[in-house]
Amino acid sequence: AQSVAQPEDQVNVAEGNPLTVKCTYSVSGNPYLFWYVQYPNRGLQFLLKYITGDNLVKGSYGFEAEFNKSQTSFHLKKPSALVSDSALYFCAVRPMDSNYQLIWGAGTKLIIKP
Amino acid sequence: SQTIHQWPATLVQPVGSPLSLECTVEGTSNPNLYWYRQAAGRGLQLLFYSVGIGQISSEVPQNLSASRPQDRQFILSSKKLLLSDSGFYLCAWSASRGHEEKLFFGSGTQLSVL
Repeated sequence: AQSVAQPEDQVNVAEGNPLTVKCTYSVSGNPYLFWYVQYPNRGLQFLLKYITGDNLVKGSYGFEAEFNKSQTSFHLKKPSALVSDSALYFCAVRPMDSNYQLIWGAGTKLIIKP
Repeated sequence: SQTIHQWPATLVQPVGSPLSLECTVEGTSNPNLYWYRQAAGRGLQLLFYSVGIGQISSEVPQNLSASRPQDRQFILSSKKLLLSDSGFYLCAWSASRGHEEKLFFGSGTQLSVL
């Protein structure tokens, strides 16, 4: 079965430190990869996506993600965390042959402490 | 620019009552439309998606139905709500160009069935 794993339920980082939110996937073929962020009681917002090309993708709010085909991972990163980055982060994967279905990770709660 | 409106923001309904959640998109034409449910602030479950007027695909059999009476209008309904229908409902749209297109989410409806 195709799946997306976000192994950390919660990640705690001190403000100013680098952060990483992990995502690994198991799908057939070469999927499209996405990261979304959700602030409390709000809808999700798109952060970035990987389609093809350079393995390092830059997105909104200073976030970037690194695609690693051999490890089937797409980890979200930021060099210096802000308190305002505290939110719920979702990794999602769309197989190239999907019927518009996105496979979602369970989400990782990111807490940035001042 | 494109915008998505979803209402109401919160709803408290008794068991057995009907439901109608509405979502409209502005600033684009022929969007793909989606209804998701998010349980306990975490994982997203795709309920319905639509690629055109009157075209509805259901991902999960349940007590809910969806309709798309106009190009940019998507409605989630139920004839009789169950306690298990409680959750956070999100409407989303994407451009119909291809599977690499990102999703744009509404602000969500928190439904409590009592």
